Order: sequence, then structure tokens, then C-alpha cells
Amino acid sequence: GAGVSQSPSNKVTEKGKDVELRCDPISGHTALYWYRQRLGQGLEFLIYFQGNSAPDKSGLPSDRFSAERTGESVSTLTIQRTQQEDSAVYLCASSFQNGGVDEQYFGPGTRLTVT
Amino acid sequence: DQQVKQNSPSLSVQEGRISILNCDYTNSMFDYFLWYKKYPAEGPTFLISISSIKDKNEDGRFTVFLNKSAKHLSLHIVPSQPGDSAVYFCAAGTGANSKLTFGKGITLSVRP
Repeated sequence: GAGVSQSPSNKVTEKGKDVELRCDPISGHTALYWYRQRLGQGLEFLIYFQGNSAPDKSGLPSDRFSAERTGESVSTLTIQRTQQEDSAVYLCASSFQNGGVDEQYFGPGTRLTVT
Repeated sequence: DQQVKQNSPSLSVQEGRISILNCDYTNSMFDYFLWYKKYPAEGPTFLISISSIKDKNEDGRFTVFLNKSAKHLSLHIVPSQPGDSAVYFCAAGTGANSKLTFGKGITLSVRP
């Protein structure tokens, strides 16, 4: 079956512009996560959606970052007024959460470069 | 403050030998640990996991060991194969919240 997909695969934008990244999770997966990976770093948690519960936004680095999810499907991560330090690979993952920690399936990521 | 640490950035082993990848954590609330493997230009893929009630979990060539008192876990790959060459991430979470905390990763190179 289809895995997690993300678009675009690469995005180059000028400092100060807004960008929108998209994630299509695996069908039936109730949980969706956004992470980012800066060069030479591990994956950094950003935000987590689980069903109709309020999202866990504790990892968002600033109020320039926001994310939405429509039901249990597509999610978009929006970065407003991009800065050079936002350059990173943004990874989306989904899981069929049945309580507790479970396996997360990752998409290929969106490489964002802010010039 | 890094809660999950992979202190060695790289490891090179000969094909057929054992690869041992180490990971340390500081948060005693973590009760579930996972290893992910990542190839270039792809997302991480799940490899193996272990919960804190166990000290060992084995799946084929892959075994994860957990030492809770030392807050240390390790991934053993034996025998190592060239296709195992990738970046390996250690991750940890709690039963109450599925967000994962990842280490920086270690690049494994298996020489033919």
C-alpha cells in the first residue's frame, strides 16, 4: 500500500516569504507527527495530531510555525516569514496509535532551503 | 539539553562482523525505545523496539539490549552486511505520549 507522502520534495524560498508543506499520511493512521532535521542534528519533534484531540504543539519553535490537519487525513505545516535557521528537512510521520508508543512511518521529507 | 545521545558519529565494520551501535538517555521517564534506519533522501524506517520491561529484544540479525540502570541501550547487527550501511537513529518515548525524542544518529559503513 501507499506510504506517507510529502510535497514538495524540495523547496527553496527567500527569507521573509511564507511556505506551506504538505503531508499525506497512511490511510487509517490516526496519529500524525511533524519533525525537522537540521544538518548534522537528530530529528526534532514539532507537533503531533491524534484524532480529534487538541494537537500537542510543544515542539513548535516559534509562533511563525503552525500546522493543521483535516480530520484524519492531510496535514499542512506553515512557516511564516521564513528565516535562514528554518532551513532543514521537514519530516512527517503517521501511526495507527493503539495507546502508547508505537511504530511511526515516515515520509521522505521536504528539504527546505531559505536563502 | 540532549535527552537521547549517540556519541559516536560514525562506525565502520567489515562485512560478516558484528556492528554495535550505542545510545544513552537521560530522561528516566522514557519507557519505550526504538531504532530507525535511514538511507539518503529517504525517511527513517523502523527497525526494532524495546520496552522498559525487557532487557533484550531480537529480530533476525538485529538485537537491542537495554540497561535501565545505566540508561543505555545498544543495537547489535550480526552478521553485518553492506546493505546495512545507513544512518541509525535511536529514539525514546513514554507510554503516555507518543512523541519521540531522537538522537543525532550514527553513520554505519559496512565494508565488503
